[in-house]
Amino acid sequence: GAVVSQHPSRVICKSGTSVKIECRSLDFQATTMFWYRQFPKQSLMLMATSNEGSKATYEQGVEKDKFLINHASLTLSTLTVTSAHPEDSSFYICSARGSSLAASPLHFGNGTRLTVT
Amino acid sequence: GENVEQHPSTLSVQEGDSAVIKCTYSDSASNYFPWYKQELGKRPQLIIDIRSNVGEKKDQRIAVTLNKTAKHFSLHITETQPEDSAVYFCAAGYSSASKIIFGSGTRLSIRP
Repeated sequence: GAVVSQHPSRVICKSGTSVKIECRSLDFQATTMFWYRQFPKQSLMLMATSNEGSKATYEQGVEKDKFLINHASLTLSTLTVTSAHPEDSSFYICSARGSSLAASPLHFGNGTRLTVT
Repeated sequence: GENVEQHPSTLSVQEGDSAVIKCTYSDSASNYFPWYKQELGKRPQLIIDIRSNVGEKKDQRIAVTLNKTAKHFSLHITETQPEDSAVYFCAAGYSSASKIIFGSGTRLSIRP
């Protein structure tokens, strides 16, 4: 149980375009999802907390207009990188928990490797 | 906010020996401490976690200890095997339901 699916796994886009990444909970309803960013050989940096039906809570230093998060349903959260630039190239990973899994650990998606050319 | 520091950044041990990774955290309100293993290009996988009402937890070759007074927690891997080679992250949070903050990671290499 507690499977989190993330799509796409890899994406290459041109500078100035926008990219959408999807995070789905496949076998549970995710009231909260978390978006992380990981640079090569570095740690996972929390970007934002996404709550179903409400605005995301962004960590300090993360531009909310740059990284748009939508959590419109209990099984789907999306992260849109707007006007992407080469410095946005990174590994983006989501994680999720559900209302019935309050005592359970977070489970991660497979991640999306974004390359901006 | 919470800050988690992790040491060492790299660790190389002989197969069969033990490996120890240490972390400290800053927020005394944190009460949930998971450890994740991440292989290259893959998602982090939870290997063990501990809550603040417990001082030690063991699962086969893996054990975690927690000292809440000192705000330290450690991962111990005994009888290391080649498949233990990976990057290990500690993390801290208020509960498994809240956000968790990761340490900087330890790249563990097991020498045959």
